Amino acid sequence: KAGVTQTPRYLIKTRGQQVTLSCSPISGHRSVSWYQQTPGQGLQFLFEYFSETQRNKGNFPGRFSGRQFSNSRSEMNVSTLELGDSALYLCASSTGLLTYEQYFGPGTRLTVT
Amino acid sequence: GDSVTQMEGPVTLSEEACLTINCTYTATGYPSLFWYVQYPGEGLQLLLKATKADDKGSNKGFEATYRKETTSFHLEKGSVQVSDSAVYFCALKSNAGGTSYGKLTFGQGTILTVHP
Repeated sequence: KAGVTQTPRYLIKTRGQQVTLSCSPISGHRSVSWYQQTPGQGLQFLFEYFSETQRNKGNFPGRFSGRQFSNSRSEMNVSTLELGDSALYLCASSTGLLTYEQYFGPGTRLTVT
Repeated sequence: GDSVTQMEGPVTLSEEACLTINCTYTATGYPSLFWYVQYPGEGLQLLLKATKADDKGSNKGFEATYRKETTSFHLEKGSVQVSDSAVYFCALKSNAGGTSYGKLTFGQGTILTVHP
């Protein structure tokens, strides 16, 4: 079974621009969660989508948004980029059951200059 | 709210030494507990898990036991290898529903370096 894939793997953007990251979950998984990883803040939960609906959201500004498609693929969008948005963005897929474990993709390294 | 505290690192060991990385948590109810490992330049890999009190998770020689009375989930390995060098994260998943959906709460991570 193929694992979680994320594209692109690396991205360099300028302040004020917007960016879209993509995540394809493991086949059969209906839940996709997104996390931001930085050296200072560690791993922080952004949001979770299940069957095209956002079920949960972390404490991030509205510039961070996402969506999920009918095939469970998910995209995350960050508008009006700031230097502090530079991070590794990880997505994780799971079955969506309450006690499920999450399987992570390799991440997208975003650098904002 | 939920929180996870890991022992401060980094941890440096010689090959074949014993490893313990401490992890304690604060959560409502009975969360599921996980250890993830991250190798340089990669995402997180699930190492082991435990979903109820006294469960022992194990994988690749690593073990951790869910201790409800001490709210702990310490990671142990009897003999580490150079290939175990990585960052280890303890995490919890609340089973309370609602705002717990899809959310793992992570510790700050512990860098492990194993020398030959």
